[in-house]
Amino acid sequence: DQQVKQNSPSLSVQEGRISILNCDYTNSMFDYFLWYKKYPAEGPTFLISISSIKDKNEDGRFTVFLNKSAKHLSLHIVPSQPGDSAVYFCAASWWGGSEKLVFGKGTKLTVNP
Amino acid sequence: DTEVTQTPKHLVMGMTNKKSLKCEQHMGHRAMYWYKQKAKKPPELMFVYSYEKLSINESVPSRFSPECPNSSLLNLHLHALQPEDSALYLCASSQGHTPARVWGGYTFGSGTRLTVV
Repeated sequence: DQQVKQNSPSLSVQEGRISILNCDYTNSMFDYFLWYKKYPAEGPTFLISISSIKDKNEDGRFTVFLNKSAKHLSLHIVPSQPGDSAVYFCAASWWGGSEKLVFGKGTKLTVNP
Repeated sequence: DTEVTQTPKHLVMGMTNKKSLKCEQHMGHRAMYWYKQKAKKPPELMFVYSYEKLSINESVPSRFSPECPNSSLLNLHLHALQPEDSALYLCASSQGHTPARVWGGYTFGSGTRLTVV
């Protein structure tokens, strides 16, 4: 039973446009969410995070939105660049869950020039 | 140094072999992790070491044996593996006991691609 779901295995976007990657979760105990980016043959790299006390966190071209009532978060990349092409993982944790992160299956983003 | 280094990058081993995966970080992180990732699946937690002590074992079969010789090193000893254990093994580290709440989350290594034949 997947507690973190990324229902779109892939997404293709034109350079300069907005990329929106979605993530849903089922465990209401989750209170901290992270996005990781992964290039082929490399480990995942931390991108941005958000605490459940916020509904938005922004870092440069990357913004994460959290809708707790819907148990949904999204990552917006504006403007998208070809170098953003990678697999993006959503991850979640909870206070009392110690060091454990639960990952989604990932969404492969392709940004076309 | 802001990296987690994993060796080897690729490993092919027979089902009767004994091998070890190595992981090293020099960021002063006190928590280290082993994750397993199969194709088109999310990374799955195997083990967590916190302050050099095993704090989480996610019911991993005993053919996988972790070891943390010191705060900078993490090993995963492999013995009598099965072909279904073929996967990407990722090591990660973080600053402390509740890493998800520490800015930056985990720092991952590039992984070891393991093939069991």
